[in-house]
Amino acid sequence: KNQVEQSPQSLIILEGKNCTLQCNYTVSPFSNLRWYKQDTGRGPVSLTIMTFSENTKSNGRYTATLDADTKQSSLHITASQLSDSASYICVVNSKTSYDKVIFGPGTSLSVIP
Amino acid sequence: EPEVTQTPSHQVTQMGQEVILRCVPISNHLYFYWYRQILGQKVEFLVSFYNNEISEKSEIFDDQFSVERPDGSNFTLKIRSTKLEDSAMYFCASSDRGLAKNIQYFGAGTRLSVL
Repeated sequence: KNQVEQSPQSLIILEGKNCTLQCNYTVSPFSNLRWYKQDTGRGPVSLTIMTFSENTKSNGRYTATLDADTKQSSLHITASQLSDSASYICVVNSKTSYDKVIFGPGTSLSVIP
Repeated sequence: EPEVTQTPSHQVTQMGQEVILRCVPISNHLYFYWYRQILGQKVEFLVSFYNNEISEKSEIFDDQFSVERPDGSNFTLKIRSTKLEDSAMYFCASSDRGLAKNIQYFGAGTRLSVL
């Protein structure tokens, strides 16, 4: 069964600190993996998208990694800001079902002063 | 920056009534999607739409649901005979052609409350 799991479920960090969020998936065959940021009550906003051949992709303070062999991805946030407080969602597309995306449950990040 | 807009932001309805959720995708996009997120749960795919027809739908998208692109700008989700468990945030998304199809832009969502 195609599944996406994320850890930790929630995380609290001090402003200015770094953190890493994890995503494991069993989706096969794999097409691409995306990280989204979702503020409370808002729609998800795309941060990065990675295909099978990409290992690392950065977007400002966000850096995503992908290990297609172990089916793991991580999202690293550097120098966290209060505005980074949100849910971070890992989303995986299957090649055989291109439009049927599988969302992870998200990691709720709280950045405190 | 172009964005996906959804109306209304909050819809309250009585159980058994029909609702229509409206979306205006980004103007040059070709692919359209509906998702829902029940409070406290993860986002779930409902349906994708391309070239005036459904291209993919999930198990959730049964006969109670329908989508339509009535004109060149709107994309609607109709829910017939609403049930309490239909209460959720409904997100519309759109994407462009080619490689950009992977990048879906989401609207702010419509919160549906079924009483």
